[in-house]
Amino acid sequence: GAGVSQTPSNKVTEKGKYVELRCDPISGHTALYWYRQSLGQGPEFLIYFQGTGAADDSGLPNDRFFAVRPEGSVSTLKIQRTERGDSAVYLCASSTGGEQFFGPGTRLTVL
Amino acid sequence: AQSVTQLDSQVPVFEEAPVELRCNYSSSVSVYLFWYVQYPNQGLQLLLKYLSGSTLVKGINGFEAEFNKSQTSFHLRKPSVHISDTAEYFCAVTKGKGGSEKLVFGKGTKLTVNP
Repeated sequence: GAGVSQTPSNKVTEKGKYVELRCDPISGHTALYWYRQSLGQGPEFLIYFQGTGAADDSGLPNDRFFAVRPEGSVSTLKIQRTERGDSAVYLCASSTGGEQFFGPGTRLTVL
Repeated sequence: AQSVTQLDSQVPVFEEAPVELRCNYSSSVSVYLFWYVQYPNQGLQLLLKYLSGSTLVKGINGFEAEFNKSQTSFHLRKPSVHISDTAEYFCAVTKGKGGSEKLVFGKGTKLTVNP
């Protein structure tokens, strides 16, 4: 079956712009996670959804970052007023309560 | 809070040699441990996990890991590596069984297998 998909695969934007990153989880997976992987680092947790609600958003670095999952399936990570330090690969994962399955990521570059 | 230390950022080895990638964790509560592999330009793939039971865990592609609670370690091993094992390997820990809690990752170990 289809795995976790993320779009776009690459996003280049200018400092100060707004971006949206999309995650399509595996069908039927109730849990969805966002992680951020900076160059030379391991993935860092951002936010976790159980259904439509954010169960844990403790990893969001500041209020420029926001994520939604309105129907309990697709999720969108939104970043306002992007900064060069936001450049990273943004990973999405989904789960039914066991293993987390990861998507290929969106590489965000802020110029 | 949990944390993970991967002691080696890069490990070069020759094909068919054994390899060990080291992982130590810290936590004030019981944890569950994972190893993920990331091939170039691909997403993370689960290699193996320790949830409970036997401390020696076998995973895909001939990898295994041993959970050592007294040393707070979860080192990954393979007796004979192939060129295709060249990838980055991440150790991760969570309080939950991997599906209801966030994963905390180490910084990764880049394994390069040379002919």
